[in-house]
Amino acid sequence: GQNIDQPTEMTATEGAIVQINCTYQTSGFNGLFWYQQHAGEAPTFLSYNVLDGLEEKGRFSSFLSRSKGYSYLLLKELQMKDSASYLCAVPPYSGAGSYQLTFGKGTKLSVIP
Amino acid sequence: EAGVTQFPSHSVIEKGQTVTLRCDPISGHDNLYWYRRVMGKEIKFLLHFVKESKQDESGMPNNRFLAERTGGTYSTLKVQPAELEDSGVYFCASSQDGAAYGYTFGSGTRLTVV
Repeated sequence: GQNIDQPTEMTATEGAIVQINCTYQTSGFNGLFWYQQHAGEAPTFLSYNVLDGLEEKGRFSSFLSRSKGYSYLLLKELQMKDSASYLCAVPPYSGAGSYQLTFGKGTKLSVIP
Repeated sequence: EAGVTQFPSHSVIEKGQTVTLRCDPISGHDNLYWYRRVMGKEIKFLLHFVKESKQDESGMPNNRFLAERTGGTYSTLKVQPAELEDSGVYFCASSQDGAAYGYTFGSGTRLTVV
């Protein structure tokens, strides 16, 4: 089976940097996703990591350590519009069949002035 | 390109009634997924269509839930009869080649059973 753990809530100040962690236990590994979801809206894709290391995309970066079963999402120069839920998700191990995602419960980030 | 569209955005029904949710995927996307988020829990997979065929329905909670995708275009998810525990947000996603990184999600239907 697959299990994903991430903090429930976080608060950070506008302009600051915040790191949202995700730990996972999976039988096999086929990459890790981060999604952003504003209240009442669709989850939107942020990043997909399959190799170890840091991938930077503008103000957002995502890190993966496969040996530790650990990932984080780093948000820099926080803006009020970054207030949202951030979801960590993993697909099944290759060959397991369908491409459904297993999600964590999400981290609700509140950015304050 | 139009995104994934779900109807209705909200639905409030009484226990025992029937509700049908609809999802219109992105045109040309053969793969369509249904997910559900119950309050306080994570988003969970329900089922996966490839065109009009059910590829994987391992996440469907019980036989009160029926999903269809006639003609391989839009999909419906019917709950009959609805129970209180069916309340939650039902998301649809579509992708062209089935791989998870190709997903586009809809905004969801918030179902409340009272």
